[in-house]
Amino acid sequence: EAGVAQSPRYKIIEKRQSVAFWCNPISGHATLYWYQQILGQGPKLLIQFQNNGVVDDSQLPKDRFSAERLKGVDSTLKIQPAKLEDSAVYLCASSARGLAGLRYNEQFFGPGTRLTVL
Amino acid sequence: GEDVEQSLFLSVREGDSSVINCTYTDSSSTYLYWYKQEPGAGLQLLTYIFSNMDMKQDQRLTVLLNKKDKHLSLRIADTQTGDSAIYFCAEAPLVGSGTYKYIFGTGTRLKVLA
Repeated sequence: EAGVAQSPRYKIIEKRQSVAFWCNPISGHATLYWYQQILGQGPKLLIQFQNNGVVDDSQLPKDRFSAERLKGVDSTLKIQPAKLEDSAVYLCASSARGLAGLRYNEQFFGPGTRLTVL
Repeated sequence: GEDVEQSLFLSVREGDSSVINCTYTDSSSTYLYWYKQEPGAGLQLLTYIFSNMDMKQDQRLTVLLNKKDKHLSLRIADTQTGDSAIYFCAEAPLVGSGTYKYIFGTGTRLKVLA
């Protein structure tokens, strides 16, 4: 089974520029998450999709961050304009929903995109 | 609040046991998780415990849950150098939409000395 794919793996931009990240979840997974992980901290949820609808975006800085999940599969996260404090690793994860068993809400993580804002 | 707290660092000698502690906040979490993150990689689920359990053993891993104190611990027996990584605990309270919201701790960096 293929894992969660993310691209690019690394991105360096200057402040006030725009950047976009892409995520392809595990096939058939209904739930997709974007996390921001600042160096030395745990992942912080930015946005959670259930199919192509937003479940939780309470911690997404909506003045500069946006995300969409096309047709309930792939997702993109955009930052426009970027600030220095946006330097972090952006992790995408997906989970299945509705499967029997105790592990049905296990999240599977991609390798992340490391963003450096100069 | 939504703070899941962990100690930042732990150093042990190879072959010893490691114990990583976590304090969570939401007593409604059905499951509690331990994830491992190696350098440059995403998080990988190590183990989990159902909230009505006190203990779960999975090979070298033992998870203890104290619901009264909202305390979770992960014990790694016979710690190996390959166990060196950052370990995150996570709670997952059920939210109104019928899905789970994951809240991760700050992470504990485990260093295993040969």
